Amino acid sequence: AQKVTQAQTEISVVEKEDVTLDCVYETRDTTYYLFWYKQPPSGELVFLIRRNSFDEQNEISGRYSWNFQKSTSSFNFTITASQVVDSAVYFCALSEEDSWGKLQFGAGTQVVVTP
Amino acid sequence: DTGVSQDPRHKITKRGQNVTFRCDPISEHNRLYWYRQTLGQGPEFLTYFQNEAQLEKSRLLSDRFSAERPKGSFSTLEIQRTEQGDSAMYLCASSSGRNNEQFFGPGTRLTVL
Repeated sequence: AQKVTQAQTEISVVEKEDVTLDCVYETRDTTYYLFWYKQPPSGELVFLIRRNSFDEQNEISGRYSWNFQKSTSSFNFTITASQVVDSAVYFCALSEEDSWGKLQFGAGTQVVVTP
Repeated sequence: DTGVSQDPRHKITKRGQNVTFRCDPISEHNRLYWYRQTLGQGPEFLTYFQNEAQLEKSRLLSDRFSAERPKGSFSTLEIQRTEQGDSAMYLCASSSGRNNEQFFGPGTRLTVL
């Protein structure tokens, strides 16, 4: 069963608009890690953020921000004032206590930013 | 370049042939992972090593697949008797700890004709 669900297949925005990517996960573990990766057209996965299950503080890094809510098992990602360079596929991933290090990825969300 | 490297970047082979891919992790990383990614999907875990020990293998890794990391440095992934369904991007990643971020290489794209 899919443990990470990214319901949005593709999102298209015009430059400078904000875009929010949804990620819903499923686990029975109390200790786990969540990740976001970016895959630009060049293909190489780029790490963006790691969050452990005990840290529900939201995080902001430049134009990127993440909203982690355990109550709804969601770890959403927002790009503020999008730029053309943000065009990529974004993946959410889960690492569980019974299999540390093994990343379980969602299907990804394609973000298309047009000028 | 001190990132994860993979060789070759592209491989085209005929069904039934054997192929071998190589991954060189970031030098101080003790963990090495293999994933497979098909078009439109997220990467799927195949196997991982801590130093030279292979600690977990996915059910996706059939008997035709074997991975090694003989000296705890580079790793090889071999596919025997390739099938068209093996066509995918094979990704390698490394990390310095079990919950640390994994750094991915550029991948090897395999096409089985």
